[in-house]
Amino acid sequence: QSVLTQPPSVSGAPGQRVSISCTGSSSNIGAYYDVHWYQQLPGTAPKLLIYGNTNRPSGVPDRFSGSRSGTSASLAISGLQAEDEADYYCQSYDSSLSVYVFGTGTKVTVL
Amino acid sequence: QLQLQESGPGLVKPSETLSLTCTVSGASISSSSYYWGWIRQPPGKGLEWIGNIYYSGNTYYNPSLKGRITISVDSSKNQFSLRLSSVTAADTAVYYCARERAAAGSNWFDPWGQGTLVTVSS
Repeated sequence: QSVLTQPPSVSGAPGQRVSISCTGSSSNIGAYYDVHWYQQLPGTAPKLLIYGNTNRPSGVPDRFSGSRSGTSASLAISGLQAEDEADYYCQSYDSSLSVYVFGTGTKVTVL
Repeated sequence: QLQLQESGPGLVKPSETLSLTCTVSGASISSSSYYWGWIRQPPGKGLEWIGNIYYSGNTYYNPSLKGRITISVDSSKNQFSLRLSSVTAADTAVYYCARERAAAGSNWFDPWGQGTLVTVSS
């Protein structure tokens, strides 16, 4: 039921900037529903990283930033660090399915 | 500090009912502006929203699971529960409970419980 599409993997060297896309449609992101992002470290529960498209919860480094445009959203990680190696998921609401939906997930590898 | 903890059997037989409880500590489950939700993740796969409940008892379920789900709340114990009937191997997953922040644009989930693996097998 993943109606939000993400690239399976992205990688970068320490210190570099990587970006993860989240592509939706006119019934979710394109309908102005907010996008949120989660980080899932290996063997742990997801953790909220970005809420309301661009907002960082307290404690989340400002290396993480979010944006939304049209039917897509993006998560950027600047100054990539080894501890950023994890799976990342976007999440929104879909009015056609009447359900909260998650993206397909992206594995970030630090080279 | 708000914490959520899932509990329940780790093994359920096919066709039987999966039952899990989420115990909330550090905040009242009767807080306004928040729902309490369940999300699951099959091994090696992505996340699926199951449903949520408001402290008043109002529930919202994933239509793909509707008919098999019941979510209830016990405010006196600061707990909410999930029951999923007629389970099959496809229901094998890590089940998470989470607080849902109600928002006009789209609810988000924070924090999450640590998760509990439920395996459906005879």
